Amino acid sequence: DSGVTQTPKHLITATGQRVTLRCSPRSGDLSVYWYQQSLDQGLQFLIQYYNGEERAKGNILERFSAQQFPDLHSELNLSSLELGDSALYFCASSVGASGIREQYFGPGTRLTVT
Amino acid sequence: AQKVTQAQTEISVVEKEDVTLDCVYETRDTTYYLFWYKQPPSGELVFLIRRNSFDEQNEISGRYSWNFQKSTSSFNFTITASQVVDSAVYFCALSLRDMKTSYDKVIFGPGTSLSVIP
Repeated sequence: DSGVTQTPKHLITATGQRVTLRCSPRSGDLSVYWYQQSLDQGLQFLIQYYNGEERAKGNILERFSAQQFPDLHSELNLSSLELGDSALYFCASSVGASGIREQYFGPGTRLTVT
Repeated sequence: AQKVTQAQTEISVVEKEDVTLDCVYETRDTTYYLFWYKQPPSGELVFLIRRNSFDEQNEISGRYSWNFQKSTSSFNFTITASQVVDSAVYFCALSLRDMKTSYDKVIFGPGTSLSVIP
């Protein structure tokens, strides 16, 4: 158990809908990262927050947004969902702001868009 | 270009065999970090090791060992006397500073799926 929690574990929704994925980092970790894992794209970095502020952006679509709250939990919002958004979404946390530290991953949220 | 290649998509070995997972990276940076992560069937990625670009010493942890060679830009991972519990997807990753944003970025390889057959 990495100490990172993600909810929900599974999510099934229809195209055009909006969903919110939630992540709580390990105790003491200030950075939260979001990744998308799909069969064709592999593991893609979406966005990083550090202590409430956006730190780095990867291949995140404009339909997607995230935030980190004062208690350090983070939410990833996915809107106008398309079939291609079906994937496993991981949250990871690390102790500092830098990407050179090891990351601890949550169990993931499997999103299915029908 | 910055990239991580794991040429072996799938490997199958019989229990107790040794197996090496290859990782080749590309970067012109002199400072970077390399990682290995394991993703078992349960899905959660697990951190295995981190190595910085200035430390080419090989590392051994139990049945796991890592061989870092800057000359060939490789960071290979060997499992000795493989066990069924080693069955997983293994990812190699590269972390370095993005000069445009000054933030660090992490690039994952495509992963190697290892099946250990009893």
